[in-house]
Amino acid sequence: DIQMTQSPSALSASVGDRVTISCRASQSVSYFLAWYQQKPGKAPNLLIYKASTLQSGVPSRFSGSGSGTEFTLTISSLQPDDFATYYCQQYNYYFTFGQGTKLEIK
Amino acid sequence: QITLKESGPTQVKPTQTLTLTCTFSGFSLTTSGVAVGWIRQPPGKTLEWLALIYWDDDKRYSPSLKNRLTITRDTSKNQVVLTLTNMDPVDTATYYCTQGSRGLTVYWGQGTLVTVSS
Repeated sequence: DIQMTQSPSALSASVGDRVTISCRASQSVSYFLAWYQQKPGKAPNLLIYKASTLQSGVPSRFSGSGSGTEFTLTISSLQPDDFATYYCQQYNYYFTFGQGTKLEIK
Repeated sequence: QITLKESGPTQVKPTQTLTLTCTFSGFSLTTSGVAVGWIRQPPGKTLEWLALIYWDDDKRYSPSLKNRLTITRDTSKNQVVLTLTNMDPVDTATYYCTQGSRGLTVYWGQGTLVTVSS
């Protein structure tokens, strides 16, 4: 199984901050890495796929980078609607999610 | 507009078999590249992929659960059915039906919470 490890597990930040979340795969997943945003009581929402491709309709303040085993999700200027939990997912070999990063208001 | 909706019991007893139905619209499961699957999320925990069925009826299962899972489709009804045998309290979770292509999960149902309790 491919394990996905996110860091940090939780993060406090303020509106307007630049935030980076990391995701590490236990073996290479090439660029088959997606990022999801989930709000309480809701299904996850796809933000980024193929490590850096922005899903249609997602604000441009979200960006992704990386390949192989190291990936990052960056939010350039936090907005109130961005406070949520973020998950990375590899889809190179079956599917595995990270444990999540909860982004909270400072 | 693509929609998916899960249906099934909200509570099952230990050792029972869970059967969930995903009813979808806005796409055809016979279109090349399309897949419908299931992902679950225990309360307060991360997401776990369970199973996937492809446009050509190929099926994939989570290695850790494959002995307990079956996924089938009824293309005439636009439905996908997931069964999970020998339910245990650790299987308590919100179960999501999903749709995607080329390995990517794009669309999600609203989810259905299933509680395993005697």
